[in-house]
Amino acid sequence: SQQGEEDPQALSIQEGENATMNCSYKTSINNLQWYRQNSGRGLVHLILIRSNEREKHSGRLRVTLDTSKKSSSLLITASRAADTASYFCATDEGYGNKLVFGAGTILRVKS
Amino acid sequence: GAVVSQHPSRVICKSGTSVKIECRSLDFQATTMFWYRQFPKQSLMLMATSNEGSKATYEQGVEKDKFLINHASLTLSTLTVTSAHPEDSSFYICSAAVFRGAYEQYFGPGTRLTVT
Repeated sequence: SQQGEEDPQALSIQEGENATMNCSYKTSINNLQWYRQNSGRGLVHLILIRSNEREKHSGRLRVTLDTSKKSSSLLITASRAADTASYFCATDEGYGNKLVFGAGTILRVKS
Repeated sequence: GAVVSQHPSRVICKSGTSVKIECRSLDFQATTMFWYRQFPKQSLMLMATSNEGSKATYEQGVEKDKFLINHASLTLSTLTVTSAHPEDSSFYICSAAVFRGAYEQYFGPGTRLTVT
C-alpha cells in the first residue's frame, strides 16, 4: 500500500532555482526518509528525519517535518541539471524497518 | 559503505520460464531484505520482507508461490519469478536494512525483467 501522497507530481524548473516537494502521510511514524531515483536506476538515500525533529539539512537539501499535519517537505536549493530525477518520501508506519513509499515527484531541471 | 548489488541488471525470458534475481549486501550484514516492484512512472510497491533463515512475509495480493524468496545468508537474498508471464514484466528492486539509530534501507540498482 502507498501511504504517502506527494505533490507536485511533476516539477520543471531552471537550473539555479529552488525546488520544493511535499509529502503527506496518514499514520504515526518513527521517521521519514527521502530518496532519489534516476531513470531506470535504484534508489539513493538522501536524508532521514526522525519524528522528534522538525528540520534537517544536508548540503543543498533541507527537509522539514510537521507531525501535527503529517507532512514533510524537501527543498533543493540552487538546483542543477544533475538533480533531474524522481524523488520519493518513505515512512515506516511505526513498524520500524518496513517502508511505505509515496507516489513520487518527477523533477526536471533545465540547463 | 552500505552497497547493495543486484544481478542480473536486465533479463529477457520467454513466457513460462523461471527467472532468479540475486540481491547482495556487499559491505554490511543485513538482518532484513526487501523486494519491491516498480511499474513505469510509478512508485515502489513492497512485495515481501525477507529475514535470514526464515520464511518471507508477503504483502497482500502478492502470490508467494509465484514469487519465491530465499534468504540464505545475512548478505544474500534471491527472488525467483516462476512461470513468468508478460504481465510480470517490471522493474524489481531489492533493499537491505541496517539499523543505525533507525532502520535505513539501502537499495540495489534494480533488475529490468521483460517476459516475451
